[in-house]
Amino acid sequence: DAGITQSPRYKITETGRQVTLMCHQTWSHSYMFWYRQDLGHGLRLIYYSAAADITDKGEVPDGYVVSRSKTENFPLTLESATRSQTSVYFCASRSRGQNSPLHFGNGTRLTVT
Amino acid sequence: QKEVEQNSGPLSVPEGAIASLNCTYSDRVSQSFFWYRQYSGKSPELIMSIYSNGDKEDGRFTAQLNKASQYVSLLIRDSQPSDSATYLCAVPGGSYIPTFGRGTSLIVHP
Repeated sequence: DAGITQSPRYKITETGRQVTLMCHQTWSHSYMFWYRQDLGHGLRLIYYSAAADITDKGEVPDGYVVSRSKTENFPLTLESATRSQTSVYFCASRSRGQNSPLHFGNGTRLTVT
Repeated sequence: QKEVEQNSGPLSVPEGAIASLNCTYSDRVSQSFFWYRQYSGKSPELIMSIYSNGDKEDGRFTAQLNKASQYVSLLIRDSQPSDSATYLCAVPGGSYIPTFGRGTSLIVHP
């Protein structure tokens, strides 16, 4: 089925570990985004990508790394997880049109112990 | 820093009433505006988009846009308990990268 899928849905990791969250979309959307959602902060943009091999920082990029070698995939890596990165992470995509809305994946709930 | 402001609520309305949700934004060049609904533990889903000043109706939902005053609102008529959720306002701004408000929690009680 067409759509945007995130994996894993839930992840528990320890402080200092590297963890990668996966995001895959089947629409061939140009733009892909990573947001984190925390109580009291709403959705905050971590990184986004306008096309394969083009990525840019959002509001809260520190501690995260992204890559986009293929249009359909946009993995987010926490190089050395910290407790402050405990959050719900949403991947989203949209087409190139300026009025295009975002389509969200189901989210990954990450707990860093 | 582009800002999108929403009253966090909760906004509590009785079943059958009109719920009014408001959003103000700072980026004057914004051309498109979106409302998302997010149920607890779920991802946001698009319910309305609006691009021109005035009203846009879709079923029980009406979006209202006033670019001069930089606000966009969402009205939900005949509110149902199933409308209980958090409503997020998103404003892409000049860069077309969406900035989200913190959301308004709506509770519709029977």
